[in-house]
Amino acid sequence: DTGVSQDPRHKITKRGQNVTFRCDPISEHNRLYWYRQTLGQGPEFLTYFQNEAQLEKSRLLSDRFSAERPKGSFSTLEIQRTEQGDSAMYLCASSLHYGYTFGSGTRLTVV
Amino acid sequence: GQQLNQSPQSMFIQEGEDVSMNCTSSSIFNTWLWYKQDPGEGPVLLIALYKAGELTSNGRLTAQFGITRKDSFLNISASIPSDVGIYFCAGLSDGSGANSKLTFGKGITLSVRP
Repeated sequence: DTGVSQDPRHKITKRGQNVTFRCDPISEHNRLYWYRQTLGQGPEFLTYFQNEAQLEKSRLLSDRFSAERPKGSFSTLEIQRTEQGDSAMYLCASSLHYGYTFGSGTRLTVV
Repeated sequence: GQQLNQSPQSMFIQEGEDVSMNCTSSSIFNTWLWYKQDPGEGPVLLIALYKAGELTSNGRLTAQFGITRKDSFLNISASIPSDVGIYFCAGLSDGSGANSKLTFGKGITLSVRP
């Protein structure tokens, strides 16, 4: 197992387009998290899954954002009608108990 | 918004020096974590602290969980060039359920002069 994998690593999109990111967690981890990080800031929590159930969503997650984890394994994060303010690094993490492992992130640039 | 305070924003040290970073919070956390992030990568866990007063080492790194559960420090001894990066503290309120999200500080950028 090579850790948490995120795809793509970079995405440039035009304002108004939809984008989807994928996260493959460490296989035995039942918890999966999405965070967003902008320049000069620490990661900020977006949402959290335990197995396939989405247990918590941040107020940062507007109705243009949707996350799924259909079979309790990989997860997708979709942003509809992207805006320039959505430009950020989107980080996925997984855990079994307390030890979070982060992926390398997807860098989104909205032009 | 974020609740953890890290300052200063940047630190510059000479190779071989020790450096200490502090993190404070207005809220109590039950677990404290220290991460290092390199440019274009995700944060990598350095040390995890689970009990108030706990002092834990990982090689040249030492971290302590404050008695009040509202602060933590990280010490790096005998710094080397590869210690360059952004150091984040993060707090966890409760690992068992809906509060298992991490709250991060803004990070401290460490530069090491050879």
